[in-house]
Amino acid sequence: ETGVTQTPRHLVMGMTNKKSLKCEQHLGHNAMYWYKQSAKKPLELMFVYNFKEQTENNSVPSRFSPECPNSSHLFLHLHTLQPEDSALYLCASSQAKGYRRQETQYFGPGTRLLVL
Amino acid sequence: AQKITQTQPGMFVQEKEAVTLDCTYDTSDQSYGLFWYKQPSSGEMIFLIYQGSYDEQNATEGRYSLNFQKARKSANLVISASQLGDSAMYFCAMREGTGANSKLTFGKGITLSVRP
Repeated sequence: ETGVTQTPRHLVMGMTNKKSLKCEQHLGHNAMYWYKQSAKKPLELMFVYNFKEQTENNSVPSRFSPECPNSSHLFLHLHTLQPEDSALYLCASSQAKGYRRQETQYFGPGTRLLVL
Repeated sequence: AQKITQTQPGMFVQEKEAVTLDCTYDTSDQSYGLFWYKQPSSGEMIFLIYQGSYDEQNATEGRYSLNFQKARKSANLVISASQLGDSAMYFCAMREGTGANSKLTFGKGITLSVRP
C-alpha cells in the first residue's frame, strides 16, 4: 500500500449504530487530519493530530471521537449520528516542517457515510 | 469575509486547450502558502501545486502552473493541453499561521468538464 488509505470506502449506518473509520498513512508523516466534506460546502477541518497528540478539535460534536494510537494510524469512532452527518470523510497526513506554510497535506480516498 | 473565493460555477474546456481556474484569497499575513487540489468523482483529493507567498517565480508542475498575482491576491491555476482525465472538482487552499496553529482553509471548489 502506498500513500494514504481509508476503510471502509462506503458506510451506511443507523442513528443508533456505532462504527469506526480507519485511516493509515504509508508516507512516514507525523501529522494526521480528519476532514468532513458535505455537499455544496467547503472542506471542514475536524481534528488534527501532531505526533499522536490532538492539537485541534474544531468544535466537533462528541458523537465523533478520534483516536490516534501511533503516527501512522488514525481512527474516527462514530456513535448516535444524525442524518446531517452524512458526508464524505477525508483523512490526510503531512510532515511537519519548520516552515508550516510549505507543509503539503496528502489525502486518502475518503469514506462516504450515509446515516439513516 | 471568505478566506478563499472560487466564484466560477462550472468550467468547460475543449480537449487539448488551456483553461484557467480562478482563486482569490484574503489574508493579513505576510507569509502564507497557496495550494491547488484536484478531486475526481472517486473522492480523493490530489495535490497539484504549491506557491509560497515569498516565491518570486510562479510555480509549475508539468501541465499545471500557478498564475500568482500577490498585489491582487489571486492564485489562478492554469492547466495546459487539457485531457479528458482532468474533468474533476478543483480546490484552492491557503495555509496561514505558524507552527501548530497553522491552518489550511479550502475554497468551495470549481467543477471542470473537459469535452472531447
